[in-house]
Amino acid sequence: AQRVTQPEKLLSVFKGAPVELKCNYSYSGSPELFWYVQYSRQRLQLLLRHISRESIKGFTADLNKGETSFHLKKPFAQEEDSAMYYCALRTSGSRLTFGEGTQLTVNP
Amino acid sequence: ETGVTQTPRHLVMGMTNKKSLKCEQHLGHNAMYWYKQSAKKPLELMFVYSLEERVENNSVPSRFSPECPNSSHLFLHLHTLQPEDSALYLCASSQEFSNSYNEQFFGPGTRLTVL
Repeated sequence: AQRVTQPEKLLSVFKGAPVELKCNYSYSGSPELFWYVQYSRQRLQLLLRHISRESIKGFTADLNKGETSFHLKKPFAQEEDSAMYYCALRTSGSRLTFGEGTQLTVNP
Repeated sequence: ETGVTQTPRHLVMGMTNKKSLKCEQHLGHNAMYWYKQSAKKPLELMFVYSLEERVENNSVPSRFSPECPNSSHLFLHLHTLQPEDSALYLCASSQEFSNSYNEQFFGPGTRLTVL
């Protein structure tokens, strides 16, 4: 069965420091991965998807099939990046399996 | 209002009550979803509707009953719930169900407390 693991429930960094939010997945098929973000008092929204190979708000994520990982990275964190981040795996259709989420806090 | 809306935003109910959660999307999408977000657990997909037909039912107890009267509206009817059903219930929509490129747009959620 498919599974998404985000090992860090809480992550705290200082402004300007690099940040990496870890995501590992388990899936027998061809994976499609996403990162969703929820800022304080806002709704859950898509941040980026691996298939687009894009950088959004300075964040990037590379799918590593060998390590079954899809870690989210940003070289210089900003205070406005503080939010809850969810890694998600699409299995078929638009079915998404989510990880438990990582609460990122960027301190001034 | 644009996007995906959910009402009520907060709901407290007893175990013998019957209530309904409402979701409405103003995006012209064809697929709608119900998710459950419990404390310390990942979002769990409950139901999926595509063009008003249910295409997913993830072993959800029968005390949760979805209804999709048209492509813009989705309901979740609740009856004889248990305290462990207390959670944030999120609605989402996407252009189509079958196309993985379609982003899911989420509503703000209904915070449900079962006493």
